[in-house]
Amino acid sequence: DARVTQTPRDKVTEMGQEVTMRCQPILGHNTVFWYRQTMMQGLELLAYFRNRAPLDDSGMPKDRFSAEMPDATLATLKIQPSEPRDSAVYFCASGRQGGGYTEAFFGQGTRLTVV
Amino acid sequence: AQSVAQPEDQVNVAEGNPLTVKCTYSVSGNPYLFWYVQYPNRGLQFLLKYITGDNLVKGSYGFEAEFNKSQTSFHLKKPSALVSDSALYFCAVRDSRGNEKLTFGTGTRLTIIP
Repeated sequence: DARVTQTPRDKVTEMGQEVTMRCQPILGHNTVFWYRQTMMQGLELLAYFRNRAPLDDSGMPKDRFSAEMPDATLATLKIQPSEPRDSAVYFCASGRQGGGYTEAFFGQGTRLTVV
Repeated sequence: AQSVAQPEDQVNVAEGNPLTVKCTYSVSGNPYLFWYVQYPNRGLQFLLKYITGDNLVKGSYGFEAEFNKSQTSFHLKKPSALVSDSALYFCAVRDSRGNEKLTFGTGTRLTIIP
């Protein structure tokens, strides 16, 4: 049963620390999305990649957030330094471009708490 | 800019009754429309999509949605609600051109009352 895998599932960290979240997309998927979910803002797109290249990262705070795809099986989202306002659930999703559209499959998320 | 409105934060339906979760959208050009469901402490699960073709789309777990271009709506429906349908439902839209950014609504919490 193919699925998007995210690690860690939960992370509690102190303000100022670096946080790295990882995502393994579904094998064969060439598009990866990072979303953040909060009560106040709902689901926000942070960035997305096609064939490992960033296509849109306009939703991501550039000063502290960075997203990369070192290879086709791994996407990372890094926050340095972390702040309490970064507390949220971060979702990775992957899809395959085909027929002109990508249907996104979501991982279970990383719940980040910054204290 | 594209947007999605889910006008109801909460919908309560008696078990066995039909349910509707409303969604309207705004997008340049032709829309691609999606419904996702989220259970507690879980990721979003895909339910159904409209890309082109028949305006009535059938999806998982007996759900269906009707695309109405004139009303820019894509309401989610099910003929007979189950208690297990209780969850948070999200409508999403993107345009049919190159940008694959999915814009989500704020979600509707559906509660099925036994």
